[in-house]
Amino acid sequence: DQQVKQNSPSLSVQEGRISILNCDYTNSMFDYFLWYKKYPAEGPTFLISISSIKDKNEDGRFTVFLNKSAKHLSLHIVPSQPGDSAVYFCAAITQGGSEKLVFGKGTKLTVNP
Amino acid sequence: GAGVSQSPRYKVAKRGQDVALRCDPISGHVSLFWYQQALGQGPEFLTYFQNEAQLDKSGLPSDRFFAERPEGSVSTLKIQRTQQEDSAVYLCASSWYDRYQETQYFGPGTRLLVL
Repeated sequence: DQQVKQNSPSLSVQEGRISILNCDYTNSMFDYFLWYKKYPAEGPTFLISISSIKDKNEDGRFTVFLNKSAKHLSLHIVPSQPGDSAVYFCAAITQGGSEKLVFGKGTKLTVNP
Repeated sequence: GAGVSQSPRYKVAKRGQDVALRCDPISGHVSLFWYQQALGQGPEFLTYFQNEAQLDKSGLPSDRFFAERPEGSVSTLKIQRTQQEDSAVYLCASSWYDRYQETQYFGPGTRLLVL
């Protein structure tokens, strides 16, 4: 039973355009959400996060949107750059529970020059 | 500063062999996590330490898996009598404190292949 779902295994966009990566979750106890970026042969690196009390968080070219009623979040990258090509993982965590992150399967983003 | 390091980076084991995977967290980090990432999947939680105390081991798939962090810094994940289904990348992560908002910093992982 997958609690965090990333239904698109891959996404391809042109340089300069917007990349939108989607994530759905089923556990209503999740109250903090994170996006991690992973290059081959490296560990995931933290990108951006959002608390459930917010619906938007922005950091430079990266914006995360949270729709609690739909149990959906998305990561927007504007403008996309070739260096953004990586696998992006959505993760969730529950306050007051275990500290473990629950990850989706990831979406491989390719930004074409 | 130095990040999280893991060794070995690659390990090939024969089925039935015991293996030990090492994690050196960022100096001063209180929390340490182990995750298992199978091919094409996201990382899955195995176990969590706060200093030397193992607070959650609910993700360990069987009693063949054992983790320790005796002095609250370096951690070792041991897998006894390895099976082919243990083949995966084992990721270690650490964070400053045990608050869930604290960013977890990941090491590069150990890729284990069991033949």
